[in-house]
Amino acid sequence: GAGVSQSPSNKVTEKGKDVELRCDPISGHTALYWYRQSLGQGLEFLIYFQGNSAPDKSGLPSDRFSAERTGGSVSTLTIQRTQQEDSAVYLCASSSTWTGGAEETQYFGPGTRLLVL
Amino acid sequence: SQQGEEDPQALSIQEGENATMNCSYKTSINNLQWYRQNSGRGLVHLILIRSNEREKHSGRLRVTLDTSKKSSSLLITASRAADTASYFCATAPFSISNFGNEKLTFGTGTRLTIIP
Repeated sequence: GAGVSQSPSNKVTEKGKDVELRCDPISGHTALYWYRQSLGQGLEFLIYFQGNSAPDKSGLPSDRFSAERTGGSVSTLTIQRTQQEDSAVYLCASSSTWTGGAEETQYFGPGTRLLVL
Repeated sequence: SQQGEEDPQALSIQEGENATMNCSYKTSINNLQWYRQNSGRGLVHLILIRSNEREKHSGRLRVTLDTSKKSSSLLITASRAADTASYFCATAPFSISNFGNEKLTFGTGTRLTIIP
């Protein structure tokens, strides 16, 4: 279908509250990625889902961060007990199935801008 | 630390001129990609160059890759005002299993401004 979508576009929360960020990948894409981008910085890898395999969580900065992907499609990134340093743009991307040596382009959503007060 | 580092951090040129941005990285890669980002939002994939390729073209874009120096360059010819954006290089780590693009590592980007 259409491109990767994310919601909400913007989220303002108070320190200590939990937030959930949603990503709808492109239909049929088996790989889904979450990145974080702090102001003026590059993207920081957070987590990667590929099909039914166990996710690669090696980029999650702390145990306050978690993500799940239901039914191999929609993904939710949850940040518990938010801190001010969590303020950033959270970007989701998806790509289609690896087809044996062909590198697959990642398609990015517009991101969720999170501000923790 | 960031795998990719772009140089320069910011670049301003007159419309019509060529813009060159460089990227250096540290570890072995399967491929290197360039992305563009407008207004701090989603990234758009521009071009991918594999580790066994040295140069690639796409429209007004020309990418080179020197694996011996672990560096790449992105050239935008005949720049337009609409090319104003941030440009990021991203590397896919070398993997024997060659599983696509997982865990791309991005640089901090070059902010390109085209002056009309």
